[in-house]
Amino acid sequence: GESVGLHLPTLSVQEGDNSIINCAYSNSASDYFIWYKQESGKGPQFIIDIRSNMDKRQGQRVTVLLNKTVKHLSLQIAATQPGDSAVYFCAENDDYNTDKLIFGTGTRLQVFP
Amino acid sequence: NAGVMQNPRHLVRRRGQEARLRCSPMKGHSHVYWYRQLPEEGLKFMVYLQKENIIDESGMPKERFSAEFPKEGPSILRIQQVVRGDSAAYFCASSPRSRGQSSLSTDTQYFGPGTRLTVL
Repeated sequence: GESVGLHLPTLSVQEGDNSIINCAYSNSASDYFIWYKQESGKGPQFIIDIRSNMDKRQGQRVTVLLNKTVKHLSLQIAATQPGDSAVYFCAENDDYNTDKLIFGTGTRLQVFP
Repeated sequence: NAGVMQNPRHLVRRRGQEARLRCSPMKGHSHVYWYRQLPEEGLKFMVYLQKENIIDESGMPKERFSAEFPKEGPSILRIQQVVRGDSAAYFCASSPRSRGQSSLSTDTQYFGPGTRLTVL
């Protein structure tokens, strides 16, 4: 069945290091992927998205990579800062007509000084 | 431009009572989505609405739950006769248009701060 999952539930990194958060998806029909950041007690905050006709997209300090061959998505955060500490979710859209997003379980990123 | 607004932020109800959650989308957005989140889990889609229409309610329980998005005013998620299992965070998201309406851009869903429902 369809699923979006994450390899690592918790990721601990030192401030200034680069972070890589991974996500696997099983629905080959998915054509749109988004990364959200959720801080405690808040709603998901959009970080970056990518469509299936791309394999890489860069934003400010963040890069999303999409490998459709192995159905894998990753979020790279450069020079991780304490403010990056949060839970990160990948989400996929597999229904062109209704836009509903399917979320993964999430990865908690902890940044240590 | 104000973001998606939800109220109340926290709601406490006793079993059997009704819960009403409100969502005001971002200005210019006519598409609203409701999601539910249990602790330490991802968000689960419930329902997708446009003004005065329910487009997809495949994620919403058949009983006790209903949603609306009237021509005027906020979108409402209504839970009747709440049970303890309804305790969760409920998030609303909005977008200006659906992906199906444009092949050139994908309109991101922007989320509100959520309503945390506690059923005693």
